[in-house]
Parts: sequence; C-alpha cells; structure tokens
Amino acid sequence: DSGVTQTPKHLITATGQRVTLRCSPRSGDLSVYWYQQSLDQGLQFLIHYYNGEERAKGNILERFSAQQFPDLHSELNLSSLELGDSALYFCASSRWGGDPSTGELFFGEGSRLTVL
Amino acid sequence: AQSVTQPDIHITVSEGASLELRCNYSYGATPYLFWYVQSPGQGLQLLLKYFSGDTLVQGIKGFEAEFKRSQSSFNLRKPSVHWSDAAEYFCAVGAGGGGNKLTFGTGTQLKVEL
Repeated sequence: DSGVTQTPKHLITATGQRVTLRCSPRSGDLSVYWYQQSLDQGLQFLIHYYNGEERAKGNILERFSAQQFPDLHSELNLSSLELGDSALYFCASSRWGGDPSTGELFFGEGSRLTVL
Repeated sequence: AQSVTQPDIHITVSEGASLELRCNYSYGATPYLFWYVQSPGQGLQLLLKYFSGDTLVQGIKGFEAEFKRSQSSFNLRKPSVHWSDAAEYFCAVGAGGGGNKLTFGTGTQLKVEL
C-alpha cells in the first residue's frame, strides 16, 4: 500500500459525459501528479501540482483540467469524453515538488475509465 | 526533451534464471533514472533509482541496475528470478530543476516460466 488513494477504481460512462477522478496523496506529501496509461500511448504525464499550485503541464488535453485543494487532495476533471479517453489514470504523490532527487513518486492503484 | 526506450516489449525467463531488462535514455544533462514495477491491477512501485555516485545501484526485491553514461543505458538485472517477479517493468527518466515529472518507457512485460 503506497498510501495514495484514488477513487473511483472503475468508472464506465458514455461519450460526451464529464467525470471527476479524485486523489488523496500520502500524508505529508505536497505534490500530486496525474498520469494517463493507455495501450497505445503508454504512461503519459498530464499535470503536476505542488501545494495547491500548478507546477508543470504535460500532454493534457484542453478538455481535461485538474486542481489541488487546500487539504492537498486533487481532482482530475475529464469532460466531453471520447472513446479514446478510455485509460487508466494514475495519481502519484511526493514530499516535495522540485528536483526528483528529493524523493520518489508514490503511485495510487489508478482509476480505470471506460468510455462507451 | 528527455525520452526513454525499452527495446523489449515481452521477455520470458525460467524461474531461477538471470534477468536483464534493457533501458536506453536520451537526456542532455545528468539524468535521474528510475525503475518501477507494476503488478496486475496495482500501481507502480519504485524498485530503484540513480541520481549520482556509484553507477551500480541496489534496489528492493534483489534487483540492481547499472548506469552507463557512454551507452546511455540503465539496465535492470536480477541474478535469479522468482515467479512472483512476473509483472511489467518501466524505466523512467526525470528532469531536475523545477519539477518531478518523469518520462516513462513503454514498459517490458516479464513472464516467468516455472
């Protein structure tokens, strides 16, 4: 158990819909990262938040957005869903937000999104 | 931009045999290198990491990896594989200064034959 909690574990929805994925980082971790894992794209970095502020953006679509709340949990919002958005979405947390030598990433078990 | 190549999509080894998983990276500066393992239905778990110093790093579960700058490689090894090692293995490179973003390889699926 990494200490990172993601909900829901599984989600099935229809095209055009909107969903919210939630992540609670490990106790004391200030950084939250979102990754998308799909068969054709592999593991892709989406976005990084540190202590409530966006720190880095990766291959995140404009239809997707994220935020980190004062209690440090994070939500990833996916809207106008398409079939190709079906994937496993991982949240990871780390103590700090800077140089990766300051700590490893701890991954949650992921939220599997299926868009029909 | 950094990138990681894992040339082997699938590898099958017999239990007790040695294992080497290949990883090549591309990064302009000194890289931060990681190996993660993903068991079915689980998240990723860190096996080991290299930041600086000794180029041979030891990790959990009996794994080790060697950083070779001249070959831009960071191969993962284990002297004797156990059936429980069957999983998917990801090599990743991290950039320093300003973020902890990791760029992952496409992964190598390890199958262990009993």
